[in-house]
Amino acid sequence: SQQGEEDPQALSIQEGENATMNCSYKTSINNLQWYRQNSGRGLVHLILIRSNEREKHSGRLRVTLDTSKKSSSLLITASRAADTASYFCATDDTNDYKLSFGAGTTVTVRA
Amino acid sequence: NAGVMQNPRHLVRRRGQEARLRCSPMKGHSHVYWYRQLPEEGLKFMVYLQKENIIDESGMPKERFSAEFPKEGPSILRIQQVVRGDSAAYFCASSPQQGQDGYTFGSGTRLTVV
Repeated sequence: SQQGEEDPQALSIQEGENATMNCSYKTSINNLQWYRQNSGRGLVHLILIRSNEREKHSGRLRVTLDTSKKSSSLLITASRAADTASYFCATDDTNDYKLSFGAGTTVTVRA
Repeated sequence: NAGVMQNPRHLVRRRGQEARLRCSPMKGHSHVYWYRQLPEEGLKFMVYLQKENIIDESGMPKERFSAEFPKEGPSILRIQQVVRGDSAAYFCASSPQQGQDGYTFGSGTRLTVV
């Protein structure tokens, strides 16, 4: 069953602006991961945040995790045209080992 | 380190034919997972295998689909008598241990059934 739900479904921003997307999930998790997928391509692992972490940074990416609300956010700062892609959150449940993906947020960065 | 290798990248099959998708995990990874992505959707788990064992096939359709991960060679996802609804991107991921966070995905095989 689908675990993560991303919001919004689609986002269009100007180059240089920040992009924020959210993910909600339903069960207890070991970790939550964010992936990027360019059109017609495979998935690229962006960042992983464990259940005992609240915030993590990697370059222009900032991820937060609120386990009490079962939600996470991904912030991309100073966006570039190359950031145009679909972004997926995936959860690694405590009772399972499979990754459960949401339907994704499609981000378009306008030059 | 070549990463997870999937082939072919694109596969076209007529209805009723068989599709065989291959996945070679990363070196040192003994756990393989197959996921399917329908257009405009996220990835859905299909099956989890270790060498010579199917650990969890709860996401596999009951008929026409099978998977194996032999002692030697790549993991194979086999779809018999393909139908139009099987058209999707099929991704393979590998990890060094079960439940570990070191999942690495391949570039996928895009199956088109005509």
